Amino acid sequence: VQLVESGGGLVQPGGSLRLSCAASGFTFSGFEMNWVRQAPGKGLEWVAYISSSGTTLYYADSVKGRFTISRDNAKNSLSLQMNSLRAEDTAVYYCARGWASDWGQGTLVTVSS
Amino acid sequence: DVVMTQSPLSLPVTLGQPASISCRSSQSLVHSDGNTYLNWFQQRPGQSPRRLIYKVSNRDSGVPDRFSGSGSGTDFTLKISRVEAEDVGVYYCMQFTHWPRSFGQGTKVEIK
Repeated sequence: VQLVESGGGLVQPGGSLRLSCAASGFTFSGFEMNWVRQAPGKGLEWVAYISSSGTTLYYADSVKGRFTISRDNAKNSLSLQMNSLRAEDTAVYYCARGWASDWGQGTLVTVSS
Repeated sequence: DVVMTQSPLSLPVTLGQPASISCRSSQSLVHSDGNTYLNWFQQRPGQSPRRLIYKVSNRDSGVPDRFSGSGSGTDFTLKISRVEAEDVGVYYCMQFTHWPRSFGQGTKVEIK
């Protein structure tokens, strides 16, 4: 199992960013997926969930209406579209498989002017 | 929302001695399907989290048997029978029963 996040970087408040997670080593279409984030020096925070088919979505209240989780099972890829970014969204973002059995290495998002 | 409360938040341990971390939830974690979806994770310094235990007491593949999980309802425990140097890090509980999912604050395990 391998999960590789990308797309992080520095963005201004109010800006947008799209994170990706490339999955390999397992049947991606058979697993639900999650995004989890960790602000610098802080604990883990669950962000979003998508079912294996992509039809069921859940979000943390802190990102609801601003973030959109999606997946492309044909490309073994998970995405997180982040809009209206705030300073408090600064964190390392991890994709995690299923009940978080496997995690990527994370990608850092910094929201700052 | 379900609040997960861990204690202690800091745990200095002597090598070879046992360690225990408590995790309490504000609501029962028994799912309507009868399962209890409580996981434990380890995060070593500078690394991604790693799942140790799923559904309260099931050890993941490759996890040393000195780690064990127990509990039911709202009260759960992670035990390390004999702490080794590689066990240093932060440990989190997380519930997968209710939406939104939630983590405990984390317990930092360090060697005395």
